[in-house]
Amino acid sequence: AQTVTQSQPEMSVQEAETVTLSCTYDTSESDYYLFWYKQPPSRQMILVIRQEAYKQQNATENRFSVNFQKAAKSFSLKISDSQLGDAAMYFCAYNNAGNMLTFGGGTRLMVKP
Amino acid sequence: EAGVAQSPRYKIIEKRQSVAFWCNPISGHATLYWYQQILGQGPKLLIQFQNNGVVDDSQLPKDRFSAERLKGVDSTLKIQPAKLEDSAVYLCASSLDEGNYEQYFGPGTRLTVT
Repeated sequence: AQTVTQSQPEMSVQEAETVTLSCTYDTSESDYYLFWYKQPPSRQMILVIRQEAYKQQNATENRFSVNFQKAAKSFSLKISDSQLGDAAMYFCAYNNAGNMLTFGGGTRLMVKP
Repeated sequence: EAGVAQSPRYKIIEKRQSVAFWCNPISGHATLYWYQQILGQGPKLLIQFQNNGVVDDSQLPKDRFSAERLKGVDSTLKIQPAKLEDSAVYLCASSLDEGNYEQYFGPGTRLTVT
């Protein structure tokens, strides 16, 4: 079974600074997808960024980018120029083309003004 | 475009009572998911529908949980009888189709069992 591990229960960043959230996963599959979801206190889960395992290029979405290390099974999220609105729970998730999303335990990100 | 709708938003019941949650996915989305999110944890998939058929219900506690998606649109998730450990947020999500399409989540229903 696939597992997703987020080793940082909480992270803190100063506004306008950069922060990196860690995620590792375990799978025997070669073709899969990885996601970062954001869950603000209102609880609506929102997709932040996705990465296809077959793509070597790291995905980027505006201030959000990933560092995907397939051999190490590592998938970290970098948030640049952090904003107060970035404060939320962030979940790393895995999908092996079978639709089922497996989530990590989450990282609470706090942004200090 | 309207998002995924869920109701109620909050529910408090006593153990051994029954409860039902409702989800209306985004129009045109064939795939619907129910997740359970216990406080401090990531969501866990309970059941996945493709149109009105069940794709995966391997993690659904079938002795007390049931779900249906009649007509392949709205879905209901029922718990009967509820236990204290069922206290959680129940999230509904939908996606355009099977495969690696983005899943869109509803606001969730927070269930408290006392």
